[in-house]
Amino acid sequence: KAGVTQTPRYLIKTRGQQVTLSCSPISGHRSVSWYQQTPGQGLQFLFEYFSETQRNKGNFPGRFSGRQFSNSRSEMNVSTLELGDSALYLCASSPRDRSDEQYFGPGTRLTVT
Amino acid sequence: AQSVTQLGSHVSVSEGALVLLRCNYSSSVPPYLFWYVQYPNQGLQLLLKYTSAATLVKGINGFEAEFKKSETSFHLTKPSAHMSDAAEYFCAVGSSGSARQLTFGSGTQLTVLP
Repeated sequence: KAGVTQTPRYLIKTRGQQVTLSCSPISGHRSVSWYQQTPGQGLQFLFEYFSETQRNKGNFPGRFSGRQFSNSRSEMNVSTLELGDSALYLCASSPRDRSDEQYFGPGTRLTVT
Repeated sequence: AQSVTQLGSHVSVSEGALVLLRCNYSSSVPPYLFWYVQYPNQGLQLLLKYTSAATLVKGINGFEAEFKKSETSFHLTKPSAHMSDAAEYFCAVGSSGSARQLTFGSGTQLTVLP
């Protein structure tokens, strides 16, 4: 099976712009979670989606949003980008029979200038 | 709220030596506990997870971890380090509401010396 794929892998944006990141989970996985990884804050949970519904949300401002489509693909959006949003954004999917396990994609490296 | 503490942001061992990476957690019982590894420019890979079935958990690549409730610890070990083990290791705990809402430790960078 193909792993979790994330597009794009690298992205450079300007402060104030918005950005959309995409994640395609492993085939058959219906749960998708997003994490932000920065040198200063480490790995932080953003949100989790299951069957197109947001199940959990981390402690991030409303500028961070996400959605999941009927094919389980997910997108996250960050509006009004700030320099501090520069990070590696990781997506993970989980199988139904081992729902506590998460399989991570390679991430999207976002740089805000 | 859950928290995870990883003692030692950098650990160096010689090839063939014991690897010990420490993790202490704060969570409700039973906790969802995991170890992940991250190689440069890659995502995270699940090494192992705690299940209530056993306190000693075996994972991939020869790693194992022991759950000690009395010490709230879940230390990761490997009897003999290999050069390919050099990477960053993260301990994580799932929330009581969802095993998939993980709180990660700050990570331990493992260096393996020849």
